[in-house]
Amino acid sequence: DAGVTQSPTHLIKTRGQQVTLRCSPKSGHDTVSWYQQALGQGPQFIFQYYEEEERQRGNFPDRFSGHQFPNYSSELNVNALLLGDSALYLCASSPDRVTPLHFGNGTRLTVT
Amino acid sequence: AQSVSQHNHHVILSEAASLELGCNYSYGGTVNLFWYVQYPGQHLQLLLKYFSGDPLVKGIKGFEAEFIKSKFSFNLRKPSVQWSDTAEYFCAVNQGGGATNKLIFGTGTLLAVQP
Repeated sequence: DAGVTQSPTHLIKTRGQQVTLRCSPKSGHDTVSWYQQALGQGPQFIFQYYEEEERQRGNFPDRFSGHQFPNYSSELNVNALLLGDSALYLCASSPDRVTPLHFGNGTRLTVT
Repeated sequence: AQSVSQHNHHVILSEAASLELGCNYSYGGTVNLFWYVQYPGQHLQLLLKYFSGDPLVKGIKGFEAEFIKSKFSFNLRKPSVQWSDTAEYFCAVNQGGGATNKLIFGTGTLLAVQP
């Protein structure tokens, strides 16, 4: 059991569409981070949410946005999808901003 | 900018063989170092971590890693691999000193252990 749950597990979208991915952190964790893992690559940091605010951001365009809710769950939104957005999107949680991350199983996004 | 290099993209070993996976990072300041493992169909799991102290770190399932500051390296080792160690292994680093848990990952090493 990952403890971090993500939905959906798989998703197919068309170029130009918008997508929302969801994440529930492990119990007791209030910090949520999102990573993108392209095929054959390591995960790349997108952003981190804590106290419902984006605290850190990686090198991703504004098409990538997120939200954290009062119950600590989080959403990742991607607008104007490109073929290159096809990847595994990982959510990770931690009890603070320094403790090692717990990862979910990911959402596999395919853009056609 | 920080970066992490994993030298071996794909490693094939027979059971009972010894394993060493290379990892080098580029960052001049204090770092925290990690190895994560992803078994087939499962989520990324923390194998071991180094924050400070003894540079030889022991993790789960008989794995260990050695931090060599002068070489900017954090190689993963296991004296005798098992078929169940077949997985993808990721080295990762973040800025140390309790600053952040934002991770920079390497590209991963796919390990296949043949019975």
